[in-house]
Amino acid sequence: DAKTTQPNSMESNEEEPVHLPCNHSTISGTDYIHWYRQLPSQGPEYVIHGLTSNVNNRMASLAIAEDRKSSTLILHRATLRDAAVYYCILRDGFGGGGADGLTFGKGTHLIIQP
Amino acid sequence: ETGVTQTPRHLVMGMTNKKSLKCEQHLGHNAMYWYKQSAKKPLELMFVYNFKEQTENNSVPSRFSPECPNSSHLFLHLHTLQPEDSALYLCASSQSTLAGGVYEQYFGPGTRLTVT
Repeated sequence: DAKTTQPNSMESNEEEPVHLPCNHSTISGTDYIHWYRQLPSQGPEYVIHGLTSNVNNRMASLAIAEDRKSSTLILHRATLRDAAVYYCILRDGFGGGGADGLTFGKGTHLIIQP
Repeated sequence: ETGVTQTPRHLVMGMTNKKSLKCEQHLGHNAMYWYKQSAKKPLELMFVYNFKEQTENNSVPSRFSPECPNSSHLFLHLHTLQPEDSALYLCASSQSTLAGGVYEQYFGPGTRLTVT
């Protein structure tokens, strides 16, 4: 599986935008970029995913570099509830019949200061 | 509330005990997964079931035995565990097809297992 690299931790202030980077220099043409987050004492939850174009949903935006070797998860206005570990995961669009397991790294521990 | 429930939420068992973890999803999904989250280690995939058939076993020791009687239920049967098996065990489900695709996974809250 192609590997991703994320900073171990980041800190931001409440109500400010947060940009969480992810490097995936060995990404293949069929790999989708997925983001999940895990709040304290909970299971991971899906945040957003994309292939080539930037994506927006109610939780966040995903900006994908033109060469697809890096991406950035953007939380437009962080709240204390966004404090979590954020995982950037590559998933092969042609793998597993849609039932392939996720390969988690260590993720980025996001700390939000009030 | 993700639509995936796990019971029990906490379990303490001795090394000679036999216990089972239960997962149920109310989302109409066809794929279900078991993951293990140990302290200070990344989440690890254990098993994948797609349309009730096991499609992946990530080199899990035989003291962990999964069962998927239907697409809504997944069990993890535990026997003769070791203290190092203490961890958070997470269940997830997702949509799936037989033709491929990429679908988000929905996780339950996990079962915190302590082996004494």
